[in-house]
Amino acid sequence: SQQGEEDPQALSIQEGENATMNCSYKTSINNLQWYRQNSGRGLVHLILIRSNEREKHSGRLRVTLDTSKKSSSLLITASRAADTASYFCATDRRDNTNAGKSTFGDGTTLTVKP
Amino acid sequence: EAQVTQNPRYLITVTGKKLTVTCSQNMNHEYMSWYRQDPGLGLRQIYYSMNVEVTDKGDVPEGYKVSRKEKRNFPLILESPSPNQTSLYFCASSLTERSPLHFGNGTRLTVT
Repeated sequence: SQQGEEDPQALSIQEGENATMNCSYKTSINNLQWYRQNSGRGLVHLILIRSNEREKHSGRLRVTLDTSKKSSSLLITASRAADTASYFCATDRRDNTNAGKSTFGDGTTLTVKP
Repeated sequence: EAQVTQNPRYLITVTGKKLTVTCSQNMNHEYMSWYRQDPGLGLRQIYYSMNVEVTDKGDVPEGYKVSRKEKRNFPLILESPSPNQTSLYFCASSLTERSPLHFGNGTRLTVT
């Protein structure tokens, strides 16, 4: 099964509302990253949170990390139609034998209606 | 402009005909990686490279080869493509294996 799994698979909200996506993972990590993908295009990095950090902000984005529960959440506040995209979490591996391996979840498809 | 360039963007080929998808980055990144994206399966890592002449298998390496002879280039080779390799492929690079990844625009491959 996937190291990173996002929840929900799909989310539909009205413009101005907040959107929350969750990610769970299985092994110990160094960093967790969130990426955005517009339909069929390359992924774009949004934010990186290290394993010793609990919360990070970037503009309208807020990411939390709970290493005891092996989970992270991405909150997008005051959403806009332009936020419509798929969002993925990605984890690396802490163990040296898997250094360099990265695992992406299946993604959450967010639709923001104008 | 800092970028990861993949070519071609679209490729239709037949079973067994060897092909190469090129990937080049101009950011002097040490780490490069290939992924395939399939509906319902997210992105899965095929191969990665921590530096020149250093490559390792990801989670789905079967049927693929890579090489890293120069820092900027990381081609993906399908020696004998099969229909189950029909997918959207992404190349990505980063300063180190723990840094944010920069992605190319993808190569949509169809094997008939």
